[in-house]
Amino acid sequence: ETGVTQSPTHLIKTRGQQVTLRCSSQSGHNTVSWYQQALGQGPQFIFQYYREEENGRGNFPPRFSGLQFPNYSSELNVNALELDDSALYLCASSVPGRHTEAFFGQGTRLTVV
Amino acid sequence: KNEVEQSPQNLTAQEGEFITINCSYSVGISALHWLQQHPGGGIVSLFMLSSGKKKHGRLIATINIQEKHSSLHITASHPRDSAVYICAPLLGDSNYQLIWGAGTKLIIKP
Repeated sequence: ETGVTQSPTHLIKTRGQQVTLRCSSQSGHNTVSWYQQALGQGPQFIFQYYREEENGRGNFPPRFSGLQFPNYSSELNVNALELDDSALYLCASSVPGRHTEAFFGQGTRLTVV
Repeated sequence: KNEVEQSPQNLTAQEGEFITINCSYSVGISALHWLQQHPGGGIVSLFMLSSGKKKHGRLIATINIQEKHSSLHITASHPRDSAVYICAPLLGDSNYQLIWGAGTKLIIKP
C-alpha cells in the first residue's frame, strides 16, 4: 500500500475524445509526477507539478496538461486522443527534496480505439 | 545509445538462487531508484540510493557514482520475487525527473 490512488483503473476512449485521469497522493506530498508507459516500454516522464504549478515537462505535446489541487490530488488531461496514447499512466508523489522516496500509484490503463 | 542500460533483459532462475541485476547510466544523476513492477502495472519503489549500499530484507542495492553503475541483488530468491525490476536514475539537474531503464523481467521457478 503506497498511499497513492489512481482512478479509474481502466478506461476505453475513442480517438479524438478527451480524458481526465486522477491521482490522489499522500498527505504532505506536494510534488506529483506523471508518466506514460506504452506496452513493452519503460515509462516516459510527462510532467511534474509542485505546489499546483508545472515544475518540469518531458517531450509531450500541449494536449497533455495537468492540474494539482491543494488537497494533494492531481489530474492528467489529454485532449484529442490518438491511438498512440494507449498506455499505462502512472503518477508518483513525493515530498520536496531530491533524496526522498517516491510513491507510485497502480496506474490507469487507457485504451484508445 | 540509451541513457540507462539494464542487464539482463530477461532472467529465469530457480527458487533459492542468488540474483543480480545490473544498471549502467551515462548521465549525471543525484540518486537512483530501483523499482519493482508487477503484472498489471503497479510500481513499488524498492530503494533510492545515492552512494554505497542499502539492504532491505533479502534485497540489496549498491551504487558506484564514479563508475555510473548500480546493482540490485536478491538473496534466496522466491517465486513471489517474479516481476519486472526497473532502474531509474534521478537526473542531477531536475527536481524529480526520472529516466527509466527498460527493465529486467525476472521469473523465479519453484
